[in-house]
Amino acid sequence: EADIYQTPRYLVIGTGKKITLECSQTMGHDKMYWYQQDPGMELHLIHYSYGVNSTEKGDLSSESTVSRIRTEHFPLTLESARPSHTSQYLCASSEGTGFGELFFGEGSRLTVL
Amino acid sequence: GESVGLHLPTLSVQEGDNSIINCAYSNSASDYFIWYKQESGKGPQFIIDIRSNMDKRQGQRVTVLLNKTVKHLSLQIAATQPGDSAVYFCAEIGQAGTALIFGKGTTLSVSS
Repeated sequence: EADIYQTPRYLVIGTGKKITLECSQTMGHDKMYWYQQDPGMELHLIHYSYGVNSTEKGDLSSESTVSRIRTEHFPLTLESARPSHTSQYLCASSEGTGFGELFFGEGSRLTVL
Repeated sequence: GESVGLHLPTLSVQEGDNSIINCAYSNSASDYFIWYKQESGKGPQFIIDIRSNMDKRQGQRVTVLLNKTVKHLSLQIAATQPGDSAVYFCAEIGQAGTALIFGKGTTLSVSS
């Protein structure tokens, strides 16, 4: 069982609001990721981090921002939510210097009205 | 650009049948592949992985086959059960080597 947690699981919010999706892992993994997934579709990488104070943009352009001040915490922020941001956001982490299994959280489903 | 795709968006099988889910990838330099299972309302769960120096790997009731010549990956599930109903994604290391790139997914439906 992976120890990676996302909150909130579900969020319905109005246009223009600022939101932060939280992601925490207790496995001590250096690498963390945010993926965006529309219903029934593939996952798109929007942000990743290889460690504290390291953040990079992924393949899919996103208006969200991330920070990595602590190893275990990788929050994602939208300064001004829009209906186009409605989606599911999945956080993941992995260990090691190479590539291995990604452990995913349960996801945060965001609806912007 | 690079992409990882699955041949069929849906697959319906009877309980007890063997299931084969296919995936084609485009990055010939990829050296690591994973199959994930995603149940409704949950995050993806690891099923099995394979590195490019192998062409077959077996787990419990699952087998992954890798054909690098045609850049094809498949997941075989033996004696499929209703609990296997989910969306299955293949994923590969992206060209930049930064993170896993996911394909579109195949929805497996198992009827009793």
